[in-house]
Amino acid sequence: EPEVTQTPSHQVTQMGQEVILRCVPISNHLYFYWYRQILGQKVEFLVSFYNNEISEKSEIFDDQFSVERPDGSNFTLKIRSTKLEDSAMYFCATSGLAVQETQYFGPGTRLLVL
Amino acid sequence: QKEVEQNSGPLSVPEGAIASLNCTYSDRGSQSFFWYRQYSGKSPELIMFIYSNGDKEDGRFTAQLNKASQYVSLLIRDSQPSDSATYLCAVNISGGYNKLIFGAGTRLAVHP
Repeated sequence: EPEVTQTPSHQVTQMGQEVILRCVPISNHLYFYWYRQILGQKVEFLVSFYNNEISEKSEIFDDQFSVERPDGSNFTLKIRSTKLEDSAMYFCATSGLAVQETQYFGPGTRLLVL
Repeated sequence: QKEVEQNSGPLSVPEGAIASLNCTYSDRGSQSFFWYRQYSGKSPELIMFIYSNGDKEDGRFTAQLNKASQYVSLLIRDSQPSDSATYLCAVNISGGYNKLIFGAGTRLAVHP
């Protein structure tokens, strides 16, 4: 069964450093999303991406965050200058074309900012 | 602020019993509703989705939707210890590009 994959599974970084989280979507999916979950808290929407542009972003997704699909397969989330409060699980999700299409989540990247 | 509310639990049920998980949402225009299961330290795993009022059954799981009451529930029949997890209700809010709003989740514990 097709699945979303994410790398790395864990990332430890120093405050102020840049990190790039990578996702490989399910092959025929065209909508891509990033969510995050701070330990013990809700899953929070960050951004949705379709046709090589951002469809919607949350207030969390400020200028420190960016997304791109650099090579037609990977979907990346970049955090330019990490802060302590960026420590969380980051989940990539993908869905097909229909507006109500279900979203399938990848296994996540656990980011720890020291 | 569009919200999704769930009782945090834990909901403790004996093996073989029916577990009933509930969720309310604030956005009256929401059209699609999802239940995800999340084991500790893992990612959300889709269990069921429901778009229309009424019941939808899939194996041991039944989702129920009442848009007038802004209420969605998940029933798990013949609960097993392996069903012990946190169950997340997610709502695709109106006017969003498939933006899911999640509840905080209900922790279910099924004891032998």
